[in-house]
Amino acid sequence: EAQVTQNPRYLITVTGKKLTVTCSQNMNHEYMSWYRQDPGLGLRQIYYSMNVEVTDKGDVPEGYKVSRKEKRNFPLILESPSPNQTSLYFCASSPLARAYNEQFFGPGTRLTVL
Amino acid sequence: GENVEQHPSTLSVQEGDSAVIKCTYSDSASNYFPWYKQELGKRPQLIIDIRSNVGEKKDQRIAVTLNKTAKHFSLHITETQPEDSAVYFCAASWGNFNKFYFGSGTKLNVKP
Repeated sequence: EAQVTQNPRYLITVTGKKLTVTCSQNMNHEYMSWYRQDPGLGLRQIYYSMNVEVTDKGDVPEGYKVSRKEKRNFPLILESPSPNQTSLYFCASSPLARAYNEQFFGPGTRLTVL
Repeated sequence: GENVEQHPSTLSVQEGDSAVIKCTYSDSASNYFPWYKQELGKRPQLIIDIRSNVGEKKDQRIAVTLNKTAKHFSLHITETQPEDSAVYFCAASWGNFNKFYFGSGTKLNVKP
């Protein structure tokens, strides 16, 4: 089944404890992206990647890191999480390098930072 | 950077009525405008999109219109049904087409 998966789905952590949210897609998509969703603010793009070893900042990259060592994986790293990073996170992928097409979203990861 | 504004934030209609959601964008370089539907507790899913070389696009009960001069685009849902109840997001993509800016969302409630 073609899909985007994220792990974990739920995470409660404490300020300053490094964490990684994984994202994987099995559709051979070039483009992958991370978003955070907060009430009243919609979806805001954190980072995106057009292909392996190619990443770029979205609208809200501060406090996040990403890597794209393999085409299928695009992990989101929070090296020192803070409470303002409590949010619902979505990973997405798209079949065209220019993302001129539908983005397929993962199921979401709900992160709480205490 | 780009700024996408979406209105209204909530919309309640009677089943069978039409619903219209409007978005404006600030950067004239934007040239791709998708609409996503997010049901409660689910992930966003694309329902329709339009490119800047097209003024209108229709898919059954859903249509999107684009006015490049005024920099706004709208989602039209006709003959609404209870299953249309969800949050709808507009988005704009610009520059190298890989950066996306989303609106703040419209919660549509279709009353049976």
